[in-house]
Amino acid sequence: DIQLTQSPSSMSASLGDRVSLTCQSSQGIGNYLSWYQHKPGKPPKPMIYYATNLADGVPSRFSGSRSGSDYSLTISSLESEDTAIYYCLQYDEYPLTFGSGTKLEIK
Amino acid sequence: QVSLKESGPGILQPFQTLSLTCSFSGFSLGTSNMGVGWIRQTSGKGLEYLATIWWDDDKYFNPSLNSRLTVSKDTSNNQAFLKITSVDTADTGTYYCTQTVYGGYRPFDYWGQGVMVTVSS
Repeated sequence: DIQLTQSPSSMSASLGDRVSLTCQSSQGIGNYLSWYQHKPGKPPKPMIYYATNLADGVPSRFSGSRSGSDYSLTISSLESEDTAIYYCLQYDEYPLTFGSGTKLEIK
Repeated sequence: QVSLKESGPGILQPFQTLSLTCSFSGFSLGTSNMGVGWIRQTSGKGLEYLATIWWDDDKYFNPSLNSRLTVSKDTSNNQAFLKITSVDTADTGTYYCTQTVYGGYRPFDYWGQGVMVTVSS
């Protein structure tokens, strides 16, 4: 199975900060990586698909990038509503696998 | 407008079989390339992919639970089903069904609200 390693596992940042979350794949998956925002009591919300594409309705302060087998989700200016757990998902091959998540909190 | 909703027993005992239903609208499993995926979040853990059933009745299961999983569909009634046999406390969590498109760039765009399942004696 493809392993996705997310870092950090948790972090806190201040409103307005630029925040980057990382997801590293154990093997090549091309751009077949997506990001989800998960808040308590709600289903995961797609944020980025195919590594760099913004999902429908997602604010433009979110962006995705790739460098080799390292993928990043960046929030350009943190807002209070961005508090959540963020998961990456690889869909290059079965079984699809999620990273373990990054818990993002506001200081 | 795509919409999905999961339903299930809520509570069951160890060694019982968990049966979940996903009722959906806005797409059909009779349409080429459409699928329904199942994902769960178990207590204290993150998200885990379970299975997918496709329009052509092809299926994929996560090998970690392969022998315990069954997926099926009722195309006429826009429903998909997940069964997990011989549950234990580790299966306690929230179960989601999702729409998925074969070969698409967006793996899981639409999700149900999730159904909570508790396994307890």
